Amino acid sequence: DAGVTQSPTHLIKTRGQHVTLRCSPISGHKSVSWYQQVLGQGPQFIFQYYEKEERGRGNFPDRFSARQFPNYSSELNVNALLLGDSALYLCASGGQGDSGELFFGEGSRLTVL
Amino acid sequence: GEDVEQSLFLSVREGDSSVINCTYTDSSSTYLYWYKQEPGAGLQLLTYIFSNMDMKQDQRLTVLLNKKDKHLSLRIADTQTGDSAIYFCADTGGATNKLIFGTGTLLAVQP
Repeated sequence: DAGVTQSPTHLIKTRGQHVTLRCSPISGHKSVSWYQQVLGQGPQFIFQYYEKEERGRGNFPDRFSARQFPNYSSELNVNALLLGDSALYLCASGGQGDSGELFFGEGSRLTVL
Repeated sequence: GEDVEQSLFLSVREGDSSVINCTYTDSSSTYLYWYKQEPGAGLQLLTYIFSNMDMKQDQRLTVLLNKKDKHLSLRIADTQTGDSAIYFCADTGGATNKLIFGTGTLLAVQP
């Protein structure tokens, strides 16, 4: 079975540009979450979507937005990129179990120059 | 606010046991998790423990939870060089829709 897949794996942008990151959850999972991991730190929660509705939002500016599609895949969009947005962006999908386990993809590494 | 803290670095010899510690602040956490991250990779879920349990064992991994002290530990028996990675503990911060991660502990296993 395929795990969580993310694209692109690496990308380089310049300040002020816009980026779109994509994620496909594990088959059967309806929940997708996005996390930002800056080098040397733990992941920080950005968004969670369940059944195409936003269920949670972390402490990130409005430049960050996301959506979930009918097939449960998701996009994370970041506008007006800043140098500080350089990070590994991780997508996670969750199952139906009560334990709330999240399964992470390999991430999209964004470098902003 | 919600906070999860870990020591930054642990070095052990191959074959020894490793113990990685974590403290958290949110007493309403239902589940606590341990994730492993190898260089350049995503996060791999290792194990989790329900908050009404004191201990959970899964092969070489033992999780101990002291809810009174809000302390979580991960013991890896017979540590191997392949266990070298960053280990993150995480809790649900009182909500079921997000994880609060610690800063991670770098485990270095010396041959």
